[in-house]
Amino acid sequence: GAVVSQHPSRVICKSGTSVKIECRSLDFQATTMFWYRQFPKQSLMLMATSNEGSKATYEQGVEKDKFLINHASLTLSTLTVTSAHPEDSSFYICSAPKATRGEKLFFGSGTQLSVL
Amino acid sequence: QQQVKQSPQSLIVQKGGISIINCAYENTAFDYFPWYQQFPGKGPALLIAIRPDVSEKKEGRFTISFNKSAKQFSLHIMDSQPGDSATYFCAASSHSGGYQKVTFGTGTKLQVIP
Repeated sequence: GAVVSQHPSRVICKSGTSVKIECRSLDFQATTMFWYRQFPKQSLMLMATSNEGSKATYEQGVEKDKFLINHASLTLSTLTVTSAHPEDSSFYICSAPKATRGEKLFFGSGTQLSVL
Repeated sequence: QQQVKQSPQSLIVQKGGISIINCAYENTAFDYFPWYQQFPGKGPALLIAIRPDVSEKKEGRFTISFNKSAKQFSLHIMDSQPGDSATYFCAASSHSGGYQKVTFGTGTKLQVIP
């Protein structure tokens, strides 16, 4: 199956700092990638859709200035949590379909963000 | 609005038993129904999926049953094993804005006891 690599797997930072999370498709090109947030024992909530070469599409209620998304190449999307606060602590996961309209999603292994 | 409802929230099954997880959806535009398995601290992985023109799909010990008129679908895990202990998410997707948009259920934590 296709492989999506997410890095880092875990990050601890101080309040007010920014954190960048990378999502790479290793064996396919992904013009679209999705970013999710998952709280403990809860479902995945779609935050935004990352589009290569254009602006990301954010879901209702997600602050685009807080969660910066950049999809600079066909294999890399980044999520930057700016000026992180303790309430931003969560498990962040990316996914990508192997084809633009592909139904099968391949997920990264997730990033556990803890903001002190 | 929760478009995909999943039950039960948690499930304990004896080794060798059958695990059954149910989901219901509202949006008739959904055209693809995958199930994902997630282990703690990991991203979800696609387990099995079905399209609405099929009533059942089986892959090994995993079976999806789909009832289009009732807008319900379920996952059956036969001969459940301790290694199946994980959280399972049903999902439903439809084409939106040029790509497939996925809505996840609330998840079921399955524990298979020896």
